[in-house]
Amino acid sequence: DGGITQSPKYLFRKEGQNVTLSCEQNLNHDAMYWYRQDPGQGLRLIYYSQIVNDFQKGDIAEGYSVSREKKESFPLTVTSAQKNPTAFYLCASSIVRGQGTDTQYFGPGTRLTVL
Amino acid sequence: AQSVTQLDSHVSVSEGTPVLLRCNYSSSYSPSLFWYVQHPNKGLQLLLKYTSAATLVKGINGFEAEFKKSETSFHLTKPSAHMSDAAEYFCVVSDQAGTASKLTFGTGTRLQVTL
Repeated sequence: DGGITQSPKYLFRKEGQNVTLSCEQNLNHDAMYWYRQDPGQGLRLIYYSQIVNDFQKGDIAEGYSVSREKKESFPLTVTSAQKNPTAFYLCASSIVRGQGTDTQYFGPGTRLTVL
Repeated sequence: AQSVTQLDSHVSVSEGTPVLLRCNYSSSYSPSLFWYVQHPNKGLQLLLKYTSAATLVKGINGFEAEFKKSETSFHLTKPSAHMSDAAEYFCVVSDQAGTASKLTFGTGTRLQVTL
């Protein structure tokens, strides 16, 4: 069964702690993305990666870090430097081509709450 | 720079009546446009995609959208609403960042379907 999995579904963190969100895909996609969703807003891009061992900052990268050691995996760490981390986090993946835009497919999301 | 405006934050229709969700976009490129649907606490599911082929795009669950370049619009329609259509809908425009796609999301339209 192909798709994108994110874990955990719900995550609680105390202020000052780092926390890592998992994203795994078995679609054989080269590109992976992390988005943040806040109530009443669209999704905002945190980081994206086009290939293993390479990633770029999105629009709101401050306070977050990522790694891409395997094609299938793109974990996101929310650090204590992120001032307002409570949000719904969505991971996505897509094919990478030389031209044209490829559809991004989304995981089910992780809801992070800072206590 | 690209942008998306969803003209209604909330739309309410009766079951069996038509649905119209409005979207206007701005893009420096020949854009690709998408509609995604999100049910509560779920990831995003692709409804349909426009990529400069036919201007009338048919999607899943009876939805369709028409690309109108002169009006810079990409409105989503469905002839007859069903209770299961109640969800948040996002209009999305794409750009290319290297060989990975970068998406810009609208702020969403919440569709309510009443009996």
